[in-house]
Amino acid sequence: AQKVTQAQTEISVVEKEDVTLDCVYETRDTTYYLFWYKQPPSGELVFLIRRNSFDEQNEISGRYSWNFQKSTSSFNFTITASQVVDSAVYFCALTWEYGNKLVFGAGTILRVKS
Amino acid sequence: NAGVMQNPRHLVRRRGQEARLRCSPMKGHSHVYWYRQLPEEGLKFMVYLQKENIIDESGMPKERFSAEFPKEGPSILRIQQVVRGDSAAYFCASSAETGTLNEQFFGPGTRLTVL
Repeated sequence: AQKVTQAQTEISVVEKEDVTLDCVYETRDTTYYLFWYKQPPSGELVFLIRRNSFDEQNEISGRYSWNFQKSTSSFNFTITASQVVDSAVYFCALTWEYGNKLVFGAGTILRVKS
Repeated sequence: NAGVMQNPRHLVRRRGQEARLRCSPMKGHSHVYWYRQLPEEGLKFMVYLQKENIIDESGMPKERFSAEFPKEGPSILRIQQVVRGDSAAYFCASSAETGTLNEQFFGPGTRLTVL
């Protein structure tokens, strides 16, 4: 079965702290794709990153970085020096080679306080 | 290049009424997906359509819900005889391909409130 688990329901940090959001996935497929989306209070879904299962290189984009580890089936997301504008719900999602749907985790609410 | 468009953005219905949600995919996209986000929950897949065909409706409730994607015009998600439990955000996504090139672009969502 395809499944995504985001065990952290809610995280609160103070501005400028680093924060890591965990994502653990399950899939039988050898070719699959992992995503992170941000949902700010306004409600839209903002695409952050897509990763395929053959590329385990970690990625950094500004204050955002992603750690993909197939050995532990994890695709964790770190925000460095968090800002109030980072406050949102963050979703991890999975699809597979011939999949036609995204399977989402339950989301992690991130609250960044000034 | 306009993104995925959904309308209305907010929809209020009384119990027993019908709700029609529209989704216009990105230009050149022929694959449409509908997801539902219940309050305090993640998004759940409902249905996947290509032009004039329903490909996968494994996430659709068995009753009252239907979807179409006609040859011309937007995709429509229709909910008949709405109940309070249908209150949710409904997101549409579109893609140019499926499978390995499945990159879905999301619309802003329609927030349905059932009174």
